[in-house]
Amino acid sequence: AQSVAQPEDQVNVAEGNPLTVKCTYSVSGNPYLFWYVQYPNRGLQFLLKYITGDNLVKGSYGFEAEFNKSQTSFHLKKPSALVSDSALYFCAVRDGYNNNDMRFGAGTRLTVKP
Amino acid sequence: DTEVTQTPKHLVMGMTNKKSLKCEQHMGHRAMYWYKQKAKKPPELMFVYSYEKLSINESVPSRFSPECPNSSLLNLHLHALQPEDSALYLCASSQDRRGPNTDTQYFGPGTRLTVL
Repeated sequence: AQSVAQPEDQVNVAEGNPLTVKCTYSVSGNPYLFWYVQYPNRGLQFLLKYITGDNLVKGSYGFEAEFNKSQTSFHLKKPSALVSDSALYFCAVRDGYNNNDMRFGAGTRLTVKP
Repeated sequence: DTEVTQTPKHLVMGMTNKKSLKCEQHMGHRAMYWYKQKAKKPPELMFVYSYEKLSINESVPSRFSPECPNSSLLNLHLHALQPEDSALYLCASSQDRRGPNTDTQYFGPGTRLTVL
């Protein structure tokens, strides 16, 4: 079975500074990795995903994520944070080889202060 | 267009009521999902429909009854719920259920359910 860990419940950054939201995963087969963002009282919005190919994946709103197979990580990054990036971020994984459905991490609340 | 719509936005019901949640997508997606999300928690998968057939039921109590009338619609029928069932219910769809480039799930805004 696959699982995802987001080790930080909360991340605080100042506007304009780079941000990183951490994610590590565990799968027995091929990892398909996803990042979603959730604003208050809203559904989840897809940001980006990694299936294969380049380890650096670029997504919506200037976000990117780096797949690191040796560290089993898929950290979300943005070079310059905006106050409007403040939200709840979920990492998710699917085991592509075993064709299991997606499982979410516990979520990380990002707060960007002016 | 990656829009999934859900109605109603909010629902308050008593434990003896029967109500339904509705989800609709017009992206031609053939997989649809119901998730339950409690406050400050990740979504938990409840049901998966693939090509209008129920593929997964994650041991959900029978007071929740899903229905997929056609490829665009997904319903969740509710009956005799408990206060602990209060949560945000999210619907999602994907082009396919398991393809590496077709399994990205797109979520609706959710229905906030309160059971009194």
